Amino acid sequence: GNSVTQMEGPVTLSEEAFLTINCTYTATGYPSLFWYVQYPGEGLQLLLKATKADDKGSNKGFEATYRKETTSFHLEKGSVQVSDSAVYFCALSPLNTGNQFYFGTGTSLTVIP
Amino acid sequence: DSGVTQTPKHLITATGQRVTLRCSPRSGDLSVYWYQQSLDQGLQFLIQYYNGEERAKGNILERFSAQQFPDLHSELNLSSLELGDSALYFCASSVTPSGGSYNEQFFGPGTRLTVL
Repeated sequence: GNSVTQMEGPVTLSEEAFLTINCTYTATGYPSLFWYVQYPGEGLQLLLKATKADDKGSNKGFEATYRKETTSFHLEKGSVQVSDSAVYFCALSPLNTGNQFYFGTGTSLTVIP
Repeated sequence: DSGVTQTPKHLITATGQRVTLRCSPRSGDLSVYWYQQSLDQGLQFLIQYYNGEERAKGNILERFSAQQFPDLHSELNLSSLELGDSALYFCASSVTPSGGSYNEQFFGPGTRLTVL
């Protein structure tokens, strides 16, 4: 089956710290992988995506690399800011299906000044 | 702004009642998805429509139903409401109905439903 396992939160970091949020997946075939971010009181926004093995998605200083050998898509940022405080969701969409997304449980990040 | 609109933003109702949530997808997107987000269940896929036809069903209760109209807007109908139905309901849209290179989903701001 298809599923996403995300690092448990909440995560609290100081400003300018390095961020890693782990995400591993189980999927049939070769899915597309996504990170979405949800700021307080808002809907989910696409942060980055990767559609094939070894692809690196990047946006706003965040990066994630599609690792087929470890079935992982870990989110990283070198220097977090207070404005990065949000909930981060890892998701997959299996190829050649109805584009149903499978989301992880979300990881809450709080960045303190 | 994702381009996906949802109304109403907040809805407060009583147990046993019926409500309708509305979603307009991004211009050009033919596929619409409904999700329920609650504290204990996380983000759960409910149902998908593509160009007016039901495409996929997830964890949608029999008390819930949806449809997509010719102008591509969609409505989620929730009936015989229970306290446990209190949640955020999100609509999302995408260009394609299937997995592939341009399959990202764009989410609306959500409707917060409170059942008292």
